[in-house]
Amino acid sequence: KQEVTQIPAALSVPEGENLVLNCSFTDSAIYNLQWFRQDPGKGLTSLLLIQSSQREQTSGRLNASLDKSSGRSTLYIAASQPGDSATYLCAVEGGANNLFFGTGTRLTVIP
Amino acid sequence: NAGVMQNPRHLVRRRGQEARLRCSPMKGHSHVYWYRQLPEEGLKFMVYLQKENIIDESGMPKERFSAEFPKEGPSILRIQQVVRGDSAAYFCASSPNPTGNTEAFFGQGTRLTVV
Repeated sequence: KQEVTQIPAALSVPEGENLVLNCSFTDSAIYNLQWFRQDPGKGLTSLLLIQSSQREQTSGRLNASLDKSSGRSTLYIAASQPGDSATYLCAVEGGANNLFFGTGTRLTVIP
Repeated sequence: NAGVMQNPRHLVRRRGQEARLRCSPMKGHSHVYWYRQLPEEGLKFMVYLQKENIIDESGMPKERFSAEFPKEGPSILRIQQVVRGDSAAYFCASSPNPTGNTEAFFGQGTRLTVV
């Protein structure tokens, strides 16, 4: 059974810092990996989708990498801003038409 | 193009009552997924439906829970005889194709509180 782990569970950084969030998964047979953002009491916003054949995706200040063989993904956030404060979720799809989620990293960017 | 719409956003039910959660997928999306997020836990898959068909309900509790996606109208997640342990946020997602190749778009969720 696929298990997704995110480290750290919480992270506090000063504004302007670059940071890396980590995601690992136990079964490397995945179709894709997706990073989401969840604000308190709100829904999920998709940030980046990486297909299994891809190594990375970029959107603005965000860059996500995927190393399928080692079961790892990272989300890099450049020049962090207070508005980036949220919980970041990693999810993988193993072809069963459903996503396996990690428990998230709660990010706080301090002005 | 409105996103995935869920209602109600908040729902309070007494133990033993029924809860009905509705999800309208994005226009043109015929694939709907329900997830549950228990307090301090990750989202867990419950059920995957296409129009009028349940494709995968492997994540749904065997009793009291049911889901449908009729030809017309929203997808409904129904919880009968709710218990305190059903208190959670329930999220619906939709996609135009099976999510193997496309991303899923999530709604704002329905937060169910059982008192």
